[in-house]
Amino acid sequence: DTAVSQTPKYLVTQMGNDKSIKCEQNLGHDTMYWYKQDSKKFLKIMFSYNNKELIINETVPNRFSPKSPDKAHLNLHINSLELGDSAVYFCASSQAGNEQFFGPGTRLTVL
Amino acid sequence: AQRVTQPEKLLSVFKGAPVELKCNYSYSGSPELFWYVQYSRQRLQLLLRHISRESIKGFTADLNKGETSFHLKKPFAQEEDSAMYYCALSGVVGGGNKLTFGTGTQLKVEL
Repeated sequence: DTAVSQTPKYLVTQMGNDKSIKCEQNLGHDTMYWYKQDSKKFLKIMFSYNNKELIINETVPNRFSPKSPDKAHLNLHINSLELGDSAVYFCASSQAGNEQFFGPGTRLTVL
Repeated sequence: AQRVTQPEKLLSVFKGAPVELKCNYSYSGSPELFWYVQYSRQRLQLLLRHISRESIKGFTADLNKGETSFHLKKPFAQEEDSAMYYCALSGVVGGGNKLTFGTGTQLKVEL
């Protein structure tokens, strides 16, 4: 299936831990994104990568570090997790400025 | 700065009634607007975009530059339309395309 996939689907962890979320797209897109959807369902962009280069960084704490090993992958590493990081994180991809295709989301719960 | 406003957090209608989900935007350039839909615990998916001027699942949206609006309409609501709807604006930021989402409107269609 051609799509945007994320792992894991659910992530429950303790405060202070470091965790990673992986994203892969096989749509051949050149741009990938990370979004955060909070408990009120607000959806906000965090990062955008185009051809492995960071192009958008929306005042996200530097505990969050995206890494793009290649065009098809954009991983999100989070250090020293805090309670406020609990949210659903969505990865997305697009070809240039066209329609964005979203992954299924990763529900992160920080205890 | 680009901004999207969805004034209604929740909209409840009866099956068969008309639906209008409001969206207003603020953007200095030429906007590209979208409606995304998120069914319960599923990924976001594109519903429609203003440049295609299509009707998808009976929904339409017309860009009104004078009123800076892009309201989503459907003449007769169906139960399966119950979902979270996000209006989004795509604009160029720092060499990349940034999708700014509104806060979303939860549509509930009751029997």
